[in-house]
Amino acid sequence: ETGVTQSPTHLIKTRGQQVTLRCSSQSGHNTVSWYQQALGQGPQFIFQYYREEENGRGNFPPRFSGLQFPNYSSELNVNALELDDSALYLCASSLMGGRSPLHFGNGTRLTVT
Amino acid sequence: GQQLNQSPQSMFIQEGEDVSMNCTSSSIFNTWLWYKQDPGEGPVLLIALYKAGELTSNGRLTAQFGITRKDSFLNISASIPSDVGIYFCAGSRLGRYSGSRLTFGEGTQLTVNP
Repeated sequence: ETGVTQSPTHLIKTRGQQVTLRCSSQSGHNTVSWYQQALGQGPQFIFQYYREEENGRGNFPPRFSGLQFPNYSSELNVNALELDDSALYLCASSLMGGRSPLHFGNGTRLTVT
Repeated sequence: GQQLNQSPQSMFIQEGEDVSMNCTSSSIFNTWLWYKQDPGEGPVLLIALYKAGELTSNGRLTAQFGITRKDSFLNISASIPSDVGIYFCAGSRLGRYSGSRLTFGEGTQLTVNP
C-alpha cells in the first residue's frame, strides 16, 4: 500500500511570488485535504477535494486554491505569497463516506522571505 | 482559527511512567482522533473514536470519547523512549465521518527520559 507522498519537501520563495505544492494520495483513497501547520501549532484545515471539486473550505483567502486530478492526486497553489504563509503544508487522503480516517503525508516546508 | 483545548502543553517523564493527556471543546464533535507527529514528518494516526463513551486501545495506548462529545483523553502506559513526540487530538463534526475537515488541538510535547 503506497502512502501519501508530497513534493517538494522544502521550498523557499519570496514575498509576492506564487507556489505550487503537489500530493499523491494513498492508493484507494478518493478524497484529498490540505492543511497548514504553523510552527508550534496544530494543523489548520485549508480545503478538501472530492471528485475533482472543492468540497469544503476553511478560513483561508481565495489566493489559496487547489486542484484534484482524475488519478486523485492534488495540487495546492498559493498566489501573492506573504511572510505568514511560511509553514508546513500537509496533504491528507481518505475515502469519502464511512469511517475513513485521514492519512497524512510528511508535508512541504515552505519558507517565504 | 478555532482549535481544541489540549493539555498539558508539554510533559517530561521517566521511562516506564504512565502518561495522560486530554482535549476539550466548547462544541460537540462526532469523531475524535489522536495523532502523533515526529520531527520532519506528518501526523500519524494512533486511535480513532466514533461513538460517545467509546474506549479504545492500541497496544499501550488507550483513548476515550467523552460522553458529552466535548472531550477526549489519551493514556500511554509504561512509556518508552520512542514515545517521544508531539501528540495531537483532532475532532470532526461530520455526522458520517468522511475523514476530511478536522479541528486540531495545539499538541502535547512528550519527552521521555531513559
